[in-house]
Amino acid sequence: SQKIEQNSEALNIQEGKTATLTCNYTNYSPAYLQWYRQDPGRGPVFLLLIRENEKEKRKERLKVTFDTTLKQSLFHITASQPADSATYLCASDSGTYKYIFGTGTRLKVLA
Amino acid sequence: DTGVSQDPRHKITKRGQNVTFRCDPISEHNRLYWYRQTLGQGPEFLTYFQNEAQLEKSRLLSDRFSAERPKGSFSTLEIQRTEQGDSAMYLCASSLRGPYEQYFGPGTRLTVT
Repeated sequence: SQKIEQNSEALNIQEGKTATLTCNYTNYSPAYLQWYRQDPGRGPVFLLLIRENEKEKRKERLKVTFDTTLKQSLFHITASQPADSATYLCASDSGTYKYIFGTGTRLKVLA
Repeated sequence: DTGVSQDPRHKITKRGQNVTFRCDPISEHNRLYWYRQTLGQGPEFLTYFQNEAQLEKSRLLSDRFSAERPKGSFSTLEIQRTEQGDSAMYLCASSLRGPYEQYFGPGTRLTVT
């Protein structure tokens, strides 16, 4: 079945460094991938979408890449800040109306 | 606040009781989604509406779960004969065109005792 996998281990980095989170998909070829941010006890918030024919997309300190050969998307936060600490989710649809999320990666930016 | 709203925010119920949750999407959004999320997991897709039509419901977890969107505006999710395994956060999201950018509500946290 279609699956999106993210590293479930928490990622701790120092303030000011670049955080890189990984999203791998299996058993399908999504037309796009999305990244969301989720804070504890709240619903996810949309950050960025990248389509399969786009190699890279940027928004302020955020950058997303999409590698269809590796079946992978990378999500980068440059000049990270403690306020960036949250869980980051990768998501897409399965080709029908069913929507798939990864388990998310918890990021902690240390001051 | 013109975002997605959900009611109630918290619900504690005894096993075997029925519960109903409401979601009010952003007014111009014609697409509405329900998800379930348990601790440490990503949202798990349950069902999808386009206007009042329920176009996908195969992921509703059992026949105890049902959802409606009677006039293409708000939606309800009902769980009958609740079980302890139903304890989770139930999230609603809406979007304007396709699933490209879903706006999520704050969720309803269900605890079944």
